[in-house]
Amino acid sequence: GESVGLHLPTLSVQEGDNSIINCAYSNSASDYFIWYKQESGKGPQFIIDIRSNMDKRQGQRVTVLLNKTVKHLSLQIAATQPGDSAVYFCAESRGVGGNTPLVFGKGTRLSVIA
Amino acid sequence: NAGVTQTPKFQVLKTGQSMTLQCAQDMNHEYMSWYRQDPGMGLRLIHYSVGAGITDQGEVPNGYNVSRSTTEDFPLRLLSAAPSQTSVYFCASRVLAGGRELFFGEGSRLTVL
Repeated sequence: GESVGLHLPTLSVQEGDNSIINCAYSNSASDYFIWYKQESGKGPQFIIDIRSNMDKRQGQRVTVLLNKTVKHLSLQIAATQPGDSAVYFCAESRGVGGNTPLVFGKGTRLSVIA
Repeated sequence: NAGVTQTPKFQVLKTGQSMTLQCAQDMNHEYMSWYRQDPGMGLRLIHYSVGAGITDQGEVPNGYNVSRSTTEDFPLRLLSAAPSQTSVYFCASRVLAGGRELFFGEGSRLTVL
């Protein structure tokens, strides 16, 4: 199986509860922040993004909050399901414009307890 | 729709050997990039490209070479493999304009003995 993700911070949540995954970023000039989900043995999958001029964005069962004052990003998952079990990464586009690369955080493992 | 295709999926090398990880995308994305993923380290950017003929270094470029002769392909070369390059490698692509959604391949697991 996939060995990446060992030694990651882990969040354990009861099925049906809400999950909150946090991320701190470093670059004040980043113009986009993105959340990715990675299931075992697969590549990361896009969940939701938020531009730096916003503080909240909602998707299907997910909400991303951005606090630029303290450089903090969070992902909220409503009514967590077993299929949400995965490693979650935040990423920032360090700079302004489409040419800037994405830099990823170290990830948080979400474990859903049925 | 194939998306981002990486080959090979698994490879074992001996120290000092060379090899190329292939990445191809069929979405006409201008931007392509390579990441490596190690336990507890997240994804670290190796190299990226914003178009054919243009490449740039990421966070951990040492020991890796890239080229971008076409829009579709972005191979990653290891000229002299070292055990520290044992990792899972991901290729990803996206459009330049608009958001920053990266589309990832399924990964290539490389072991250097």
